Amino acid sequence: DSGVTQTPKHLITATGQRVTLRCSPRSGDLSVYWYQQSLDQGLQFLIQYYNGEERAKGNILERFSAQQFPDLHSELNLSSLELGDSALYFCASSPSGMGETQYFGPGTRLLVL
Amino acid sequence: GESVGLHLPTLSVQEGDNSIINCAYSNSASDYFIWYKQESGKGPQFIIDIRSNMDKRQGQRVTVLLNKTVKHLSLQIAATQPGDSAVYFCAENGMIYNQGGKLIFGQGTELSVKP
Repeated sequence: DSGVTQTPKHLITATGQRVTLRCSPRSGDLSVYWYQQSLDQGLQFLIQYYNGEERAKGNILERFSAQQFPDLHSELNLSSLELGDSALYFCASSPSGMGETQYFGPGTRLLVL
Repeated sequence: GESVGLHLPTLSVQEGDNSIINCAYSNSASDYFIWYKQESGKGPQFIIDIRSNMDKRQGQRVTVLLNKTVKHLSLQIAATQPGDSAVYFCAENGMIYNQGGKLIFGQGTELSVKP
């Protein structure tokens, strides 16, 4: 157990819908990261937050957004969902967000029908 | 460009043998590398890391070797056990691209351990 928690574990929804994925980092970690894992793209970095502020952005779609709250938990919002958004979404956390090990949560499996 | 690649997509070994998983990285300025293990249905699990000022680092039954000359990283698992069966990813820290703590992952190697 990495100490990173994610909810829900599974999510099934329809195209065009909007969903919110939630992540709680390890105790003491200030930085949260979101990754998408699909069969054809592998593990891809989406976005990083540090202490409530966006620090780095990957190839995150405009339909996707995230935020980190004062209690350091983070949410990833996915809107206007398409079939291709079906994937595993992982959250990771680290203490400072600067070139260090990231610890991953168990992931949320999203299926868009 | 940004790429960390694995040489072999699948590796099958006999229980008790040693396993070697390889990874190539593209940026000679990369300074931090991590190996992760991912079991089916789970998130990536940290195994071992290494910084560019080191050539070798050992953990429990695992060793990571870094060859900066040819930009190559390897993970050695001693006395491989059935519980080692998983997909192994190397990852490069993206700080050198001035992109915060982004990790760039390789494609992954699936390790299968035969009893």
